[in-house]
Amino acid sequence: QKEVEQDPGPLSVPEGAIVSLNCTYSNSAFQYFMWYRQYSRKGPELLMYTYSSGNKEDGRFTAQVDKSSKYISLFIRDSQPSDSATYLCAMSEAAGNKLTFGGGTRVLVKP
Amino acid sequence: GAVVSQHPSRVICKSGTSVKIECRSLDFQATTMFWYRQFPKQSLMLMATSNEGSKATYEQGVEKDKFLINHASLTLSTLTVTSAHPEDSSFYICSAPTGLGSYEQYFGPGTRLTVT
Repeated sequence: QKEVEQDPGPLSVPEGAIVSLNCTYSNSAFQYFMWYRQYSRKGPELLMYTYSSGNKEDGRFTAQVDKSSKYISLFIRDSQPSDSATYLCAMSEAAGNKLTFGGGTRVLVKP
Repeated sequence: GAVVSQHPSRVICKSGTSVKIECRSLDFQATTMFWYRQFPKQSLMLMATSNEGSKATYEQGVEKDKFLINHASLTLSTLTVTSAHPEDSSFYICSAPTGLGSYEQYFGPGTRLTVT
């Protein structure tokens, strides 16, 4: 069993819909949680980062962390075709430590 | 966000030769950098942690004599793939946290290595 599980998709949604992504993990020592967006043949781009449990909102993005369930989520409101990419969750035990990634979810936003 | 660059973005080399990839933090100092490898349609696999002024820490299964890492300054880490073979062809990406105690990590644009 992988340390971080993420549905590979593809997740196809119409433009304007809410995209809902999630990851589950098994290591209770993870405290820092990040979401990255990666376009094909490019490096990952940091979207959101949170510490411990709770919600965080930034523009169209909302990240949620539930440490008791070992479950994190990312919501993208008013999705655009330019949001079509692979979304990776990542987490670490301590600040600045190595990241453990989920397998990534491919998202397709259709115009 | 912070900026991390990589050079070259793409390299093609012949089997048996060595290739050096540079990772630079452009607007912050990084005592630690991470090197990842990514195969097509797969997630990132951590290869090693690069530490400024000391030896790199390699993940299990990664040959340290094949993938040489040097972190000579607070803004530069290099990965050298020695005696490259076709199975080393991959997308190599580096990342760096933005500072002591910071948990924001930014990635470079990646280097695509093709060994013929």
